[in-house]
Amino acid sequence: DIQMTQSPSSLSASVGDRVTITCRASQGIRNDLVWYQQKPGKVPKRLIYAASNLQSGVPSRFSGSGSGTEFTLTISSLQPEDFATYYCLQYNNYPLTFGGGTKVEIK
Amino acid sequence: QLVESGGGLVQPGGSLRLSCAASGFTFSNYNMNWVRQVPGKGLEWVSYISTSSSTIYYADSVRGRFTISRDNAKNSLYLQMTSLRAEDTAVYYCARERNSGGLGWGQGTLVTVSS
Repeated sequence: DIQMTQSPSSLSASVGDRVTITCRASQGIRNDLVWYQQKPGKVPKRLIYAASNLQSGVPSRFSGSGSGTEFTLTISSLQPEDFATYYCLQYNNYPLTFGGGTKVEIK
Repeated sequence: QLVESGGGLVQPGGSLRLSCAASGFTFSNYNMNWVRQVPGKGLEWVSYISTSSSTIYYADSVRGRFTISRDNAKNSLYLQMTSLRAEDTAVYYCARERNSGGLGWGQGTLVTVSS
């Protein structure tokens, strides 16, 4: 099984900060990775697919990069509505595996 | 659209059948999954079924207790859960494989295993 190690597990940041979240895969997954944002009581929302493609309707302050085993989600300027939990998901192979999540909180 | 149903409170050792009604797309063309999330915790993939039901996978944590199935004529996905444990308590999401990668989600149904 492919393990996805996501870091940090939580972070505190201020509006306007640049935020970076990382997912590392235990083996190469090409670019078969998506990033989700989840707010309490809500369904996960896809932000990035194929590692670096911005989902339609998602603000351009979100970006994704990486390939193989290391991936990054960047929020260039954190906005109040961005405080949420973020997950990566690898879909290169079954079982699908998620990162443990990163909770982004207000500093 | 994916709409789950069948969740509720069940005693340890009990059984429950979840259903997912699909609409707005050609259900028979898509591989489907169940994913769960313990309230306040992370996401865990549970099971996969291919379009024709010829390929099925399970997470180790549920293999032998859960059975995934689908009825393409009824545009429906199912998850039969038996020998339920407290650690199976979670919101269960029906999820469609997306052509561009990842999953598209239903709203989820809560399963609570407790005496």
